[in-house]
Amino acid sequence: EPEVTQTPSHQVTQMGQEVILRCVPISNHLYFYWYRQILGQKVEFLVSFYNNEISEKSEIFDDQFSVERPDGSNFTLKIRSTKLEDSAMYFCASSEARGGGLKNIQYFGAGTRLSVL
Amino acid sequence: AQTVTQSQPEMSVQEAETVTLSCTYDTSESDYYLFWYKQPPSRQMILVIRQEAYKQQNATENRFSVNFQKAAKSFSLKISDSQLGDAAMYFCAYRSSGSSGDKLTFGTGTRLAVRP
Repeated sequence: EPEVTQTPSHQVTQMGQEVILRCVPISNHLYFYWYRQILGQKVEFLVSFYNNEISEKSEIFDDQFSVERPDGSNFTLKIRSTKLEDSAMYFCASSEARGGGLKNIQYFGAGTRLSVL
Repeated sequence: AQTVTQSQPEMSVQEAETVTLSCTYDTSESDYYLFWYKQPPSRQMILVIRQEAYKQQNATENRFSVNFQKAAKSFSLKISDSQLGDAAMYFCAYRSSGSSGDKLTFGTGTRLAVRP
């Protein structure tokens, strides 16, 4: 069964450093998302991406964050200068379509745990 | 903005018994989608079941079923014949079907323990 793949599973970085979290969405999916989950809290939406553009972003997704689809398979989240409060689990998700029907289901990767020291 | 509330931080069920997890939501939209995701200790988010608001019939997936009460804005998950592998965090999520975007809005989760 196709799945969303995220690497690395755990990333440790120093405050102020740049990190890139990588995701390989399901191959025929066109819509991509990043969510984060601070330990013990709920999952929060960060950004959605379609056709090489950001479709929607939350207040969390400030200028320190950026997303990119550098090639036909990868989807990345970059944090320019990490802060302690960026420590969280970051989930990538993808869906085949928007709108109605089963194609709008978002499938999640296993997440990348980011620890900022 | 839509909100999702899960009022049970923790639940416990005996293996083979039935348990119901509660979820309420607030929205002014008439058409939307509701989901239950499971997050086991491995932390991966796994879709359990999905409901379209325009469908009156409650969704079922094997041992999992929902009680969708649109007027009450309630979307509970029933797990029948509970198994040890059902132990996980369960998140209720809302998704708009309109122009307000396709992001998922999650509740705070219910941690389900299954007693052998």
